[in-house]
Amino acid sequence: DIVMTQSPDSLAVSLGERATINCKSSQSVLYSYNNKNYLAWYQQKAGQPPKLLIYWASTRESGVPDRFSGSGSGTDFTLTISSLQAEDVAVYYCQQYYDPPPWTFGQGTQVEIK
Amino acid sequence: QVQLQESGPGLVKPSQTLSLTCTVSGDSMTTGTYYWSWIRQPAGKGLEWIGRVFASGNTNYNPSLKSRVTISVDTSKNQFSLKLNSVTAADTAVYFCARDNRAKGFDYWGQGTLVTVSS
Repeated sequence: DIVMTQSPDSLAVSLGERATINCKSSQSVLYSYNNKNYLAWYQQKAGQPPKLLIYWASTRESGVPDRFSGSGSGTDFTLTISSLQAEDVAVYYCQQYYDPPPWTFGQGTQVEIK
Repeated sequence: QVQLQESGPGLVKPSQTLSLTCTVSGDSMTTGTYYWSWIRQPAGKGLEWIGRVFASGNTNYNPSLKSRVTISVDTSKNQFSLKLNSVTAADTAVYFCARDNRAKGFDYWGQGTLVTVSS
């Protein structure tokens, strides 16, 4: 199984400041045939299901604010919130969907307001 | 707009079988190329993918649960189901169903249902 490791486990950021979350996979999730990284990011607010933010490591899902961005390739990925808003308080998860299953998630990163 | 809704008992006794159903609306399970997955989350913990089913009935399971899990589909009802047998307290969790999109990961989720394993 591919192991996903996020860092940090939690972070506190002032409103309007940048938040950066890292995700590392135990093996590459880059498909050479289409040059796509099979890596997604989710936001989970308290009492809600996860919400897809980013897929293919850097493609924003429809309706997701452009302050959210994803980057990276191969085994190292980053989710950046460029200007933290109060509504961004949540747990963020990375997930790999590189064939074959099982799909695996990172342990999650709690983002709070400083 | 695709919607998913989990249903089933919220309390299961140890050693018995957990059974949940996910009803899909806004999309036919037989169109497109999507799989349909179950994912769980113990209280205060992370997400664990349990397994998935295609409309044809083809399945994939997490090896950590494979010996106890069965996922099936009923396309006539636009539903898919999860059975987890020989449950213990460690299976207590919120169970989510989700659409498994090859290009995106999990793009639609149900609200989740809490299943508690207790006598």
